[in-house]
Amino acid sequence: GAGVSQSPSNKVTEKGKDVELRCDPISGHTALYWYRQSLGQGLEFLIYFQGNSAPDKSGLPSDRFSAERTGGSVSTLTIQRTQQEDSAVYLCASSPRRDNRETQYFGPGTRLLVL
Amino acid sequence: AQSVAQPEDQVNVAEGNPLTVKCTYSVSGNPYLFWYVQYPNRGLQFLLKYITGDNLVKGSYGFEAEFNKSQTSFHLKKPSALVSDSALYFCAVRYLSGAGSYQLTFGKGTKLSVIP
Repeated sequence: GAGVSQSPSNKVTEKGKDVELRCDPISGHTALYWYRQSLGQGLEFLIYFQGNSAPDKSGLPSDRFSAERTGGSVSTLTIQRTQQEDSAVYLCASSPRRDNRETQYFGPGTRLLVL
Repeated sequence: AQSVAQPEDQVNVAEGNPLTVKCTYSVSGNPYLFWYVQYPNRGLQFLLKYITGDNLVKGSYGFEAEFNKSQTSFHLKKPSALVSDSALYFCAVRYLSGAGSYQLTFGKGTKLSVIP
């Protein structure tokens, strides 16, 4: 079956611009996670969705970052007024339900470069 | 607080030799441990996990991992390395955050190079 998909695969933007990153989870997966992978910080949790609600936004690094999920499926991560330190690979993952025994399945990521 | 340590940034092994990628963890409560592999310009691929039961867990591509509670370790192993195993490997522990999400905390990753 189809895995987690993300778009775009690569994004180059200028400092100060807004960007939107999209994630399509595996069909039927109710839990969705965003992570960021950067050279200096490794893999960091950003935000968690259960259905359309986001009970855990504790990993979002600043108020420039926001995310939403609609229809219990597609999620969009928005970064406003991008900064160079936002350059990273943004990874989305989904799992069937909210359970710590469940595997999280990752998408290929969006590689963001802020010039 | 939970944490994962991968003490080796890089592991080199000759093709056909056994390989080990080390991981130690710290978590309150029961540990739920995962290994993922990342190939260049790709996302993370799930290899295996330990939830409960046998300490030796078998996963994809011939990999296995041994859970050792007394040493708080979860080392990844393979009896005979292939050149195609060359990649970046991440160990992770899953835990319940205060906000109610089952996040993964990752180690820094270990780059495995299998030499022909």
